[in-house]
Amino acid sequence: AQSVTQLGSHVSVSEGALVLLRCNYSSSVPPYLFWYVQYPNQGLQLLLKYTSAATLVKGINGFEAEFKKSETSFHLTKPSAHMSDAAEYFCAVSGSGDIPTFGRGTSLIVHP
Amino acid sequence: EAQVTQNPRYLITVTGKKLTVTCSQNMNHEYMSWYRQDPGLGLRQIYYSMNVEVTDKGDVPEGYKVSRKEKRNFPLILESPSPNQTSLYFCASRTGGNYGYTFGSGTRLTVV
Repeated sequence: AQSVTQLGSHVSVSEGALVLLRCNYSSSVPPYLFWYVQYPNQGLQLLLKYTSAATLVKGINGFEAEFKKSETSFHLTKPSAHMSDAAEYFCAVSGSGDIPTFGRGTSLIVHP
Repeated sequence: EAQVTQNPRYLITVTGKKLTVTCSQNMNHEYMSWYRQDPGLGLRQIYYSMNVEVTDKGDVPEGYKVSRKEKRNFPLILESPSPNQTSLYFCASRTGGNYGYTFGSGTRLTVV
């Protein structure tokens, strides 16, 4: 069994500020972890993935995430937010051959 | 261009009128899935397929059917749509290795 909890349905930041989107997971097997981004009126796009290699994963658009097994977390960060980062972000977990379970999503709002 | 194509993008129909949403991928992916996205609930899996003629139920399969007669196609069938199936639907595919899904652009379905 596996589950994902995204803390905060909405996160608001100023342009240029640090972005931190939180994701905690539970999994009975070594997890594969993913972050996806959904821009308005579009499908989900893979941002980055953790598949048991390096614990710090770099993705597209300057985002990165760190796998912390002891904290069962996979938080998404970006040093400096841009207006174009405003979107819905989803964390997902799966086993190696399993179908992923998605979190409920976090809406990132970026203020000028 | 590697992609997952869903049709139609928008559909308004009446209760009880059978409909099919098509999904096609050009990446020779083994795995295909259907998700529905509802506000506050994130993505919930309807059905998935691990290869041709191999399908299984996801978390919310009631009222839906699928088939996988060819590797590239995975249509979603609503035999008798009801208003509670009004939602945003996504088709997605991936390879056998778990490196994340490629999503279609979505189908917004309204059942009146």
